[in-house]
Amino acid sequence: EPEVTQTPSHQVTQMGQEVILRCVPISNHLYFYWYRQILGQKVEFLVSFYNNEISEKSEIFDDQFSVERPDGSNFTLKIRSTKLEDSAMYFCASSDSRAKETQYFGPGTRLLVL
Amino acid sequence: DQQVKQNSPSLSVQEGRISILNCDYTNSMFDYFLWYKKYPAEGPTFLISISSIKDKNEDGRFTVFLNKSAKHLSLHIVPSQPGDSAVYFCAASVRGGSNYKLTFGKGTLLTVNP
Repeated sequence: EPEVTQTPSHQVTQMGQEVILRCVPISNHLYFYWYRQILGQKVEFLVSFYNNEISEKSEIFDDQFSVERPDGSNFTLKIRSTKLEDSAMYFCASSDSRAKETQYFGPGTRLLVL
Repeated sequence: DQQVKQNSPSLSVQEGRISILNCDYTNSMFDYFLWYKKYPAEGPTFLISISSIKDKNEDGRFTVFLNKSAKHLSLHIVPSQPGDSAVYFCAASVRGGSNYKLTFGKGTLLTVNP
């Protein structure tokens, strides 16, 4: 069964450093999303991406964040200058055009900013 | 922002019995609802969904009921099995732009005792 994959599974970084989280969505999906879950809190929407552009972003997704689909398979989330409060589990999700509302999630990347 | 609420942080049931997980929402614009199951250190796994034009959807042991007037939905699992022990998230979406971003509840930890 096709699945969303994410790398790395864990990342530890120093405050102020740049990190890139990588995702490979399900191959025939066209809609891509990033969510995050701070420990003990809800899963929160960050950004959605379709047709090579951001279709919606949350207040969390400020100028420090960017997304890119550098090729036909990868979808990345970059945090330019990490803050302590960026420590969270980051989930990538994708959905297809026939059932956009049904999103399939990857296993997540646990980011720890020290 | 409490647009989707799961007021029970935990639920414990005996194997073979019915598990009922509840979810309330406040945003009348939500038109699609989903339940996800999450094990520790994994991403949310899609379980079942329901459109606002329906009041019930069934898939095997899982049934979701939607009461639009009460802005309430519930997930019934019958019979419950120990492998169902996980955190269950209710999520809702509003069509906007080119995506269906999900708004999640805080989750309910279900424990099914053998």
